Amino acid sequence: EAQVTQNPRYLITVTGKKLTVTCSQNMNHEYMSWYRQDPGLGLRQIYYSMNVEVTDKGDVPEGYKVSRKEKRNFPLILESPSPNQTSLYFCASSHGPNWETQYFGPGTRLLVL
Amino acid sequence: DAKTTQPPSMDCAEGRAANLPCNHSTISGNEYVYWYRQIHSQGPQYIIHGLKNNETNEMASLIITEDRKSSTLILPHATLRDTAVYYCIVPPRNFGNEKLTFGTGTRLTIIP
Repeated sequence: EAQVTQNPRYLITVTGKKLTVTCSQNMNHEYMSWYRQDPGLGLRQIYYSMNVEVTDKGDVPEGYKVSRKEKRNFPLILESPSPNQTSLYFCASSHGPNWETQYFGPGTRLLVL
Repeated sequence: DAKTTQPPSMDCAEGRAANLPCNHSTISGNEYVYWYRQIHSQGPQYIIHGLKNNETNEMASLIITEDRKSSTLILPHATLRDTAVYYCIVPPRNFGNEKLTFGTGTRLTIIP
């Protein structure tokens, strides 16, 4: 089954404790992206990747890192989480250039205390 | 990338057609219009996309005006399960500007 998976689905952590949210897709997609969603602000793009070893900042990259060492995986790293990073996070992937139809993961709900 | 404008919320009676508008007046000639929806806090789901011709699939129809500055997503017979936030987006197609903006969408509520 074609899918995007994220882990963990729910996470509670404390300020400053490094964490990684994993994202994996099984569709051989080149394009992958991370979004965060906050009430009243919609979906905002954090980082995106157009292929292995090619990543770039989205609209809200501060406080986040990403890597794309393999085509299928695109982890999101919070080196020193802060309470303002409490949010719902989505990973997405798409096949071709120019953001053709995107497939979204189920989301990761993060609470930073 | 082309900015889109959608009404923040709409209601529609169950069984009626839901018509969701979107303005994208700065759209470029080779940019597509995509529609997604998000049910509660699930991951957004692709609905339909189009360039300039009207499109229809099993989920919805997309009507794009001749000048391409606006479009309407039509759910022909809305059900309670269509209650969701609907996003109209225009992905960038120019190399070097691949950021994608979703916006806040339209919250559609289907009334029994």
